[in-house]
Amino acid sequence: DVVMTQTPVSLSVSLGGQVSISCRSSQSLVHNNGNTYLSWYLQKPGQSPQLLIYKVSNRFSGISDRFSGSGSGTDFTLKISRVEPDDLGVYYCGQGTQYPDTFGAGTKLELK
Amino acid sequence: EVQLQQSGPELQRPGASVKLSCKASGYTFTEYYMYWVKQRPKQGLELIGRIDPEDCSTDYVEKFKNKATLTADTSSNTAYMQLSSLTSEDTATYFCARGRFAYWGQGTLVTVSS
Repeated sequence: DVVMTQTPVSLSVSLGGQVSISCRSSQSLVHNNGNTYLSWYLQKPGQSPQLLIYKVSNRFSGISDRFSGSGSGTDFTLKISRVEPDDLGVYYCGQGTQYPDTFGAGTKLELK
Repeated sequence: EVQLQQSGPELQRPGASVKLSCKASGYTFTEYYMYWVKQRPKQGLELIGRIDPEDCSTDYVEKFKNKATLTADTSSNTAYMQLSSLTSEDTATYFCARGRFAYWGQGTLVTVSS
């Protein structure tokens, strides 16, 4: 199975600040069809995960442009700018290139 | 609007079985895989398996092959997951999620306790 490694485990940020979360996969996430199925999710306290970014850099419907994804191959980054209170929670990266889909262990975003 | 409505919380005794449901609406049920994900308290996300509602074919993650059974009923647009021989290790919240994890159910908390 593809192992997804996220860093850091936790982040403290001031409102209005910017943060980056890193995700590394144990093998390339480029699919045979040329797509890279790397997604980012946010799980707010007591809620289900919600999709933020799919295929590395595509924002899901209704997701603010303060969220941006980048990367290729095995190294990926989620950037959040102008952090708002509603952005707090646990962020997960996940891959869907190779079954079974696997997720990183999560990065907890907290207020400084 | 796509919605996945999961069944309510369960309290079960060790050794029992439980069947969870996930009712889909707002899209064509047979056009997307349904995935099931386990999240133990304060832990991360773990895929259990998936079902193709069109033909009810299934794929399980190896460690769940003898634990979970996935089914789907196209007449009611509902996916099901049965968990057998419950132990404390099965205490978790279980989510259903539509293909590519774009939409998630609200989760069902299963507590296994004597």
